[in-house]
Amino acid sequence: DAKTTQPPSMDCAEGRAANLPCNHSTISGNEYVYWYRQIHSQGPQYIIHGLKNNETNEMASLIITEDRKSSTLILPHATLRDTAVYYCIVRTRGTSYGKLTFGQGTILTVHP
Amino acid sequence: EADIYQTPRYLVIGTGKKITLECSQTMGHDKMYWYQQDPGMELHLIHYSYGVNSTEKGDLSSESTVSRIRTEHFPLTLESARPSHTSQYLCASSEPHEVLAGDTDTQYFGPGTRLTVL
Repeated sequence: DAKTTQPPSMDCAEGRAANLPCNHSTISGNEYVYWYRQIHSQGPQYIIHGLKNNETNEMASLIITEDRKSSTLILPHATLRDTAVYYCIVRTRGTSYGKLTFGQGTILTVHP
Repeated sequence: EADIYQTPRYLVIGTGKKITLECSQTMGHDKMYWYQQDPGMELHLIHYSYGVNSTEKGDLSSESTVSRIRTEHFPLTLESARPSHTSQYLCASSEPHEVLAGDTDTQYFGPGTRLTVL
């Protein structure tokens, strides 16, 4: 699976959009971009995933560049409860036994 | 919200005790996983299962064992707990590859069990 690079930390004001970047310059054609987050002391939570088209669900939007070398997770109206570590993962669907490998992620702090 | 449960949430136990961490899911998922995570550190896969009667060891060597007698249940057992086993244990499940649409590799996690061995 391709390696990803994320900034170690970001701040966002409550009610504003949080834009979390991820670089995955070695991504291959059959690899998807997944985003998970982990709130302190809880299990990771799936947010969204995509291949090459932009995706949106009730939690967030995922914008993938045309060359697929980077992506941005957008939380449109961040709340205090969105404070968490956000992980960007690149992996092939159906890979081996499907294990997840999280890097260091981005610590997002949403402040009032 | 994912329907995957872990008990207990917190466990403090003495060295040498046998413990079983429970994990159950009501989503009918075939694949289940156990991860170990220390505070501020990465997830490490210690066990996984493709379905009933299937269990495999993950990347991180662990003295724990697992069983999968029923689809919804994937307990983890430590025969003799030691202080080095102190960690958070996270259970997850995902849908099978055969699902034609949706998130075949999306893993849903339980809330975790924080184990402290004294």
